[in-house]
Parts: sequence; C-alpha cells; structure tokens
Amino acid sequence: NAGVMQNPRHLVRRRGQEARLRCSPMKGHSHVYWYRQLPEEGLKFMVYLQKENIIDESGMPKERFSAEFPKEGPSILRIQQVVRGDSAAYFCASSSVASSTDTQYFGPGTRLTVL
Amino acid sequence: AQSVAQPEDQVNVAEGNPLTVKCTYSVSGNPYLFWYVQYPNRGLQFLLKYITGDNLVKGSYGFEAEFNKSQTSFHLKKPSALVSDSALYFCAVRDTRANAGKSTFGDGTTLTVKP
Repeated sequence: NAGVMQNPRHLVRRRGQEARLRCSPMKGHSHVYWYRQLPEEGLKFMVYLQKENIIDESGMPKERFSAEFPKEGPSILRIQQVVRGDSAAYFCASSSVASSTDTQYFGPGTRLTVL
Repeated sequence: AQSVAQPEDQVNVAEGNPLTVKCTYSVSGNPYLFWYVQYPNRGLQFLLKYITGDNLVKGSYGFEAEFNKSQTSFHLKKPSALVSDSALYFCAVRDTRANAGKSTFGDGTTLTVKP
C-alpha cells in the first residue's frame, strides 16, 4: 500500500518561472491538504481539497498560488512567477474522510529552491 | 482560532534516560491533538493522537503522550530514549468546531539523544 507520493522531490526554478508540485494521495484517500514549511519553521496550512473541490484555502497567498484536485490524476499546487521567498518545503497530506479526528498522512515533500 | 506552542526549540537527553517534549494548545472547542516526527529531508510520520477517552495515549516506537485539559497540554514522553529517536518533533491541533481539515502545527522541537 503505497503512501502519499509527491514529485518532484526537488525543484529548482529561476525567479519569474512557474512551479508545479504534484501529490498523489494514499490509495482510498479522497482528501488532500497542502502545507508549507519555511526554513527553521513549522508547517503552515495552505489549502484543503476534495476531488474537484476546494474546501478551505484560507492559508493560500492571494496571488500567484493555486491548487486543484481533479477527478482523475494527482493534486497540483501551482506557483506562478516564483520569487525567492517561495523557497520552502511543500508537503502534501491525505486522509480518507473529512473528519477532524482522521489522521493526515504526509508525503516526503517537494523542496523548492528559487534562484 | 487554534494555536500550538512548543516552548523548547531543543531538547537534549542521554540514551536510556526518559524524555519529554512539551506542547500546549489553545482552541475554542474540544481539541484533537497529534504528534508527528520528521527526520532530515523526509516527510512527517504520524506518532499518535488524542481524540477522546484515556488521557494517556500510546503510539509508535514506544512513545506516549498525556492529555491534560486543565493545563491545556499534550506532552510527548518516552521512558527510555534511543539515539535513533533524534529528530524534529511537531505537535498539531485541530478544533472540533473548525473546518475538518485544517491542522495547526507548532514550530517543532529538535530532540537530540546522545549515546
């Protein structure tokens, strides 16, 4: 039973380019969460999605960031026109139900470096 | 609003000694509490959670945590530390009143176990 998959594991972009981060949830999970971890800091919630729906995007920056979780395929976190401050580790988690008690299982993360 | 505090950036213990990693929380409703461990360049691994019932929760790798409602704490403990326990530990909370998905994480505590 594969865990949460994220790719790429490392991504280098120049300022102004686009970054696309992918997340495939655990088998049987239909809820996906994205978190960002800045250097020397904890994880900050960004967005919560179910298939084809954004449920909570209260942690997403208002500009340049978007997320989707289509009916087929992985969830995508997209960052347009990246800046140096976007350099961070981006973690995806998934859960099987939409419950506060359900455990979120995390992927290995994508480490984004903006030059 | 929900928040988590991990008052110690670093905890150092000798192998074989008991360890405690502290966590306090603030929520509007009832808390659901989680502990995760992160090894270098890896994602977060779930250790244990408190939902309801017994205040002492047992989890993976011999870890346990004690929920104390009056002190709003959920400290992580292990009776006998191993060198391999050295890692970054995160406490997280969800409020039963809040959106099901959104977890708030502490800033993390680095545990170092010396031989």
